[in-house]
Amino acid sequence: RKEVEQDPGPFNVPEGATVAFNCTYSNSASQSFFWYRQDCRKEPKLLMSVYSSGNEDGRFTAQLNRASQYISLLIRDSKLSDSATYLCVVNGGGADGLTFGKGTHLIIQP
Amino acid sequence: EAEVAQSPRYKITEKSQAVAFWCDPISGHATLYWYRQILGQGPELLVQFQDESVVDDSQLPKDRFSAERLKGVDSTLKIQPAELGDSAMYLCASSKGLPGGTDTQYFGPGTRLTVL
Repeated sequence: RKEVEQDPGPFNVPEGATVAFNCTYSNSASQSFFWYRQDCRKEPKLLMSVYSSGNEDGRFTAQLNRASQYISLLIRDSKLSDSATYLCVVNGGGADGLTFGKGTHLIIQP
Repeated sequence: EAEVAQSPRYKITEKSQAVAFWCDPISGHATLYWYRQILGQGPELLVQFQDESVVDDSQLPKDRFSAERLKGVDSTLKIQPAELGDSAMYLCASSKGLPGGTDTQYFGPGTRLTVL
């Protein structure tokens, strides 16, 4: 069974701090990787894709380590509005579709 | 910005009843997905369509669940009969490209089902 593992948290972090999450995946043939954000009782929304060379979008940095089969997300200067569940998502390719982790719950405290 | 539409947003039913959910993907998106998300878990794929054809329904409990996308546009997911364990959020998503590709999947707001 293809799995994506995340620490469910919650991560309680003071506003302005830096926080990082990791995620591991079991399918070595996985082709693409994403972080989705999900607010309480809302649908998941794409936060960013994760590229082999690493990528940055404002305060968010995503990295991929194919050898160790893990993905990371770093949030700098955290805001109260960053409070959400962050879902690690792996695309196995073909008909496998996306496999979601259970999510990491982040709470930014004032 | 185009969005994936789903209805109803909330559904309460009694066990053994039939329920149906509707999804209208973003116009022009070839691939449509139905996911189930149980509280505290990540979404799990139930079925995916490319146009009107089912690409993968290996995770769909076919004794009670059915899905169709007859004209390759909107889609219906049905449960008959509903069981207590079916209580979950049912999410529809669509993407422009082919199944298994790297295109972004856009999610609808979901239908929250409660089975009593």
